[in-house]
Amino acid sequence: NAGVTQTPKFQVLKTGQSMTLQCAQDMNHNSMYWYRQDPGMGLRLIYYSASEGTTDKGEVPNGYNVSRLNKREFSLRLESAAPSQTSVYFCASSLDRGGSPLHFGNGTRLTVT
Amino acid sequence: RKEVEQDPGPFNVPEGATVAFNCTYSNSASQSFFWYRQDCRKEPKLLMSVYSSGNEDGRFTAQLNRASQYISLLIRDSKLSDSATYLCAVSRRGTNAGKSTFGDGTTLTVKP
Repeated sequence: NAGVTQTPKFQVLKTGQSMTLQCAQDMNHNSMYWYRQDPGMGLRLIYYSASEGTTDKGEVPNGYNVSRLNKREFSLRLESAAPSQTSVYFCASSLDRGGSPLHFGNGTRLTVT
Repeated sequence: RKEVEQDPGPFNVPEGATVAFNCTYSNSASQSFFWYRQDCRKEPKLLMSVYSSGNEDGRFTAQLNRASQYISLLIRDSKLSDSATYLCAVSRRGTNAGKSTFGDGTTLTVKP
């Protein structure tokens, strides 16, 4: 059982480049999330999708877009990468929006130079 | 003020010690509470949910104090393998239901 799968694991971008982080879950969860984590800090929510077909901004949405492609997949896009977006990105899913615990992917380590 | 606050530590304790972490939250509409464990450069993993009556899982005990708006995690008989960062998380009712807000984490190092 794979759980939450993120790709890629590592990525280096130049300022201004774009990329899409992919996330898929096989637990039939309704809600999915994208967080970023900077050194010594907790997780900050970028965007979330409470259910298929809906997306909402989190705490730090600027510079990002998301797509909930279907119930399984939730992608995060950086249209024009900036050094401030250097971070570790975690995708997560939960059974529902009623306060179920989160299941995280392994993370994507992104460096923007 | 952050919505969820934790003492960052680090907590350095000898093996066998008992250690407690607190986490305060500011939004009284918070409904669900969790402790996660994060090892260095890895993803957070659920350690335990926190229930109103308090709950225990082996050496770990979680408590919720709604009146004072904090949750706690007690680790008894610490093991070397308990060394990690512990993140508390809360989620709340209403339009923002379901999404979790995390504290910055408390780092624990257990030494021989």
